[in-house]
Amino acid sequence: QVQLQESGPGLVNPSGTLSLTCTVSGDSFSSTGWWSWVRQPPGKGLEWIGEISHGGRTNYKPSLKGRITVLVDVSKNQVHLKLTSVTSADTAVYYCATNANGGFDPWGQGTLVTVSS
Amino acid sequence: QSALTQPPSASGSPGQSVTISCTGASNDVGGFNSVSWYQQHPGKVPKLIIYEDNKRPSGVPDRFSGSKSGNTASLTVSGLQADDEADYYCSTSTGSFYVFGTGTKVSVL
Repeated sequence: QVQLQESGPGLVNPSGTLSLTCTVSGDSFSSTGWWSWVRQPPGKGLEWIGEISHGGRTNYKPSLKGRITVLVDVSKNQVHLKLTSVTSADTAVYYCATNANGGFDPWGQGTLVTVSS
Repeated sequence: QSALTQPPSASGSPGQSVTISCTGASNDVGGFNSVSWYQQHPGKVPKLIIYEDNKRPSGVPDRFSGSKSGNTASLTVSGLQADDEADYYCSTSTGSFYVFGTGTKVSVL
């Protein structure tokens, strides 16, 4: 059973860079298809922002291209998210999730990132 | 890259059924990409309840069913129970990125 855990700073300065890590445990990292990042602003809906394959192929939400980078470190069973030039609109709970069987499952517990000075 | 359109709210009495629509376009819901559905209770992690349009993961009751026709997918919750009160989201791929629905709050009266 795959388990995911997000980690990273809970507070980021405006115009700074948001950096999060998703650590995968409990199963073979290489057996899973793609790893996605999904965010949810407080009181709002889910927003898919990007994904990466085990081999490093990426897809991003078009409106975030240029600001978002997703990386995979197979040696550490980790997936990384970097989002630059953040504003208050990037304040959200950030989830990582796998998409190996036609749906996002499982999900991490999520981590709240607040953009504020 | 607009979100898929869902009704903001839906409701039903215990034991009744409620159906939630998820409307997209020919390049997402209406294409060859499958639709998945998620249940999210307040303050909780989203849970996959339907994948590949109409399949249920292990452990999801058969009271939850999914379908798709043209550019619209639907989720039906039969035999409503108090614990079904939650937010529900659909999702699909455009082939190059994913999109979620706007979300529907289901209330059990």
